[in-house]
Amino acid sequence: SQKIEQNSEALNIQEGKTATLTCNYTNYSPAYLQWYRQDPGRGPVFLLLIRENEKEKRKERLKVTFDTTLKQSLFHITASQPADSATYLCALAGPGGFKTIFGAGTRLFVKA
Amino acid sequence: DAGVIQSPRHEVTEMGQEVTLRCKPISGHDYLFWYRQTMMRGLELLIYFNNNVPIDDSGMPEDRFSAKMPNASFSTLKIQPSEPRDSAVYFCASSRKLLEETQYFGPGTRLLVL
Repeated sequence: SQKIEQNSEALNIQEGKTATLTCNYTNYSPAYLQWYRQDPGRGPVFLLLIRENEKEKRKERLKVTFDTTLKQSLFHITASQPADSATYLCALAGPGGFKTIFGAGTRLFVKA
Repeated sequence: DAGVIQSPRHEVTEMGQEVTLRCKPISGHDYLFWYRQTMMRGLELLIYFNNNVPIDDSGMPEDRFSAKMPNASFSTLKIQPSEPRDSAVYFCASSRKLLEETQYFGPGTRLLVL
């Protein structure tokens, strides 16, 4: 069955450092991969989308890579800030885009 | 735009009771999604609509769950009868297109079935 794995352990980093979150998947050939941010008690908020034929995408302090051979995406937050503390969800959508499946998320804590 | 609106924000009910969750998508969005989020299973897609028509309900866990979208600005998710294992946060999301389009999530309804 399709499976998405994100590091279940929380990631703790110091302010100013780069946070790197990992998303691995199996039994899936996604056409798109998305990253969302979710704060406690709120719905997920879209951050970035990357297509299967793209290797990297950037938006301000965020960078996403997508390696369809390794079946892995890396999500980087550079110059991290305490306000970046949240849970980050990886989501995959198939070629038809007809169903998006989400990973369980990784909790990020940025210490001042 | 006010974003996706969900009501109620919190619901506490007893096992066996009927629960109705409501959603108003963003105006102009043709797709509406219902998700359920739990600690154990994460965020799961239950059903989605396109132009008010249910397209994929394969994620609906049981016949106790039903969803409707009578018009472009309103959808309901009903659980009858409710069970304690239905306790979760239920999110509604909408988008303009299915492909290459992000989904905008509502604030969620936190459901507790006692």
